[in-house]
Amino acid sequence: AQKITQTQPGMFVQEKEAVTLDCTYDTSDQSYGLFWYKQPSSGEMIFLIYQGSYDEQNATEGRYSLNFQKARKSANLVISASQLGDSAMYFCAMREAITGTASKLTFGTGTRLQVTL
Amino acid sequence: NAGVTQTPKFQVLKTGQSMTLQCAQDMNHNSMYWYRQDPGMGLRLIYYSASEGTTDKGEVPNGYNVSRLNKREFSLRLESAAPSQTSVYFCAGGGWAEDTEAFFGQGTRLTVV
Repeated sequence: AQKITQTQPGMFVQEKEAVTLDCTYDTSDQSYGLFWYKQPSSGEMIFLIYQGSYDEQNATEGRYSLNFQKARKSANLVISASQLGDSAMYFCAMREAITGTASKLTFGTGTRLQVTL
Repeated sequence: NAGVTQTPKFQVLKTGQSMTLQCAQDMNHNSMYWYRQDPGMGLRLIYYSASEGTTDKGEVPNGYNVSRLNKREFSLRLESAAPSQTSVYFCAGGGWAEDTEAFFGQGTRLTVV
C-alpha cells in the first residue's frame, strides 16, 4: 500500500523568505505521480504542482518548485519569496492507479504554514 | 467555467437522518471521486467512479452509497447519518490518470448531531 508522510505539522516562515515543506512517500510502483495541494482557511483545495516519477527535471510553477529525490523517495515543496497569502495547509499526495482508467490520490496529513511579517 | 460544483456547502443532520450530497463537473472528465477530510488525517477516498455507469469503493465506504447519474454528476448518499460521519466532504473530477491537474469542489461541511 502506498503511504505519504509529512512530518511537519506546522511551520513558520518570515515574509520574503524561502521555505521547504517535507514529503516522503512509499510505493512499489514504478510509475507514479506526486502532487502538492494548498488549502487556505476558506477550505478549497488548490492544485499547486505535479511531478511524474519519470520526469528527470524538478517541476516548477512560479514560486513553487518540487525537490524530487527519487532514490530517497522524497518530494519536498519549496516556496520561494513567501507571501502572507501563502499561509495555509499544504498537502502532499501521490497518484496510485486503481484500475486501467482511474487513479486515486493518497494524501499526507498536511503541514500548516504560517507566514509572518 | 465552474469546474466542480458541490451542494450544499453546509449541512447539519440529526443522527439517523439521510441526505444526498450533489456534485457536478463541467470538465468532461471520465473519473470522479468523493473524499472526506478529518482533522489530522488528510483526505481519504470514500468512493470513486472511473467512468459513467461504474462505481467502486475506496478506503472508507461504510455508511455511504454513490450514484454516477451521467458523466457530469456523481452523488454521495448517507442513508442513516452517524456522528462519526461529521466531516468535510470533497468531490473531485479526474485527470490524475492522465497526469493533469485535478479539480476539487469547494467542499461540504457536514455535522451530524
